[in-house]
Amino acid sequence: ETGVTQTPRHLVMGMTNKKSLKCEQHLGHNAMYWYKQSAKKPLELMFVYSLEERVENNSVPSRFSPECPNSSHLFLHLHTLQPEDSALYLCASSHFTGELFFGEGSRLTVL
Amino acid sequence: GQQVMQIPQYQHVQEGEDFTTYCNSSTTLSNIQWYKQRPGGHPVFLIQLVKSGEVKKQKRLTFQFGEAKKNSSLHITATQTTDVGTYFCAVVFGNKLVFGAGTILRVKS
Repeated sequence: ETGVTQTPRHLVMGMTNKKSLKCEQHLGHNAMYWYKQSAKKPLELMFVYSLEERVENNSVPSRFSPECPNSSHLFLHLHTLQPEDSALYLCASSHFTGELFFGEGSRLTVL
Repeated sequence: GQQVMQIPQYQHVQEGEDFTTYCNSSTTLSNIQWYKQRPGGHPVFLIQLVKSGEVKKQKRLTFQFGEAKKNSSLHITATQTTDVGTYFCAVVFGNKLVFGAGTILRVKS
């Protein structure tokens, strides 16, 4: 138990589907992150939210849409994805830029 | 973009042998963090180094930060099968924590 919970753990979707990944942290942290992990790029930063404001969008395609309604919750909305988007999506939280606490990840497969 | 280079990409060792992974940056770093990810798991924080020339130990793991704060190493003495996984270094650039590509360690028993 890391204090960061991600759901679902596994997701299979077609290219025309709309789905969302959810992340919740119980650690009182003020920053939350989405990372993509694939064979090609082991840990690729996607988005950073600090105090519920997006402070970094690492050139991520618009088919990925993050949402941070409060400091404990982070979503990644998925729409018209491509097969190459299949990967492990990891959520993390931290106190500013201190150590990251990762969730167990959501394994996404796009058919 | 800003990045940190990590080598080697893979290492297979016999149980009991030592293992080292290195991270190098072209710019001076404020600090460096190390993480371990077991197969099928998620990255777990190991340690953070802040001071020039700093050396920290955790049992069989020794972490070092270079004098110029541009490189770091993680050394494992007498590896065990429980050490298998991917070891990542990570550095702060602005608002971002950027990870190295990782070193995959396999241990043969």
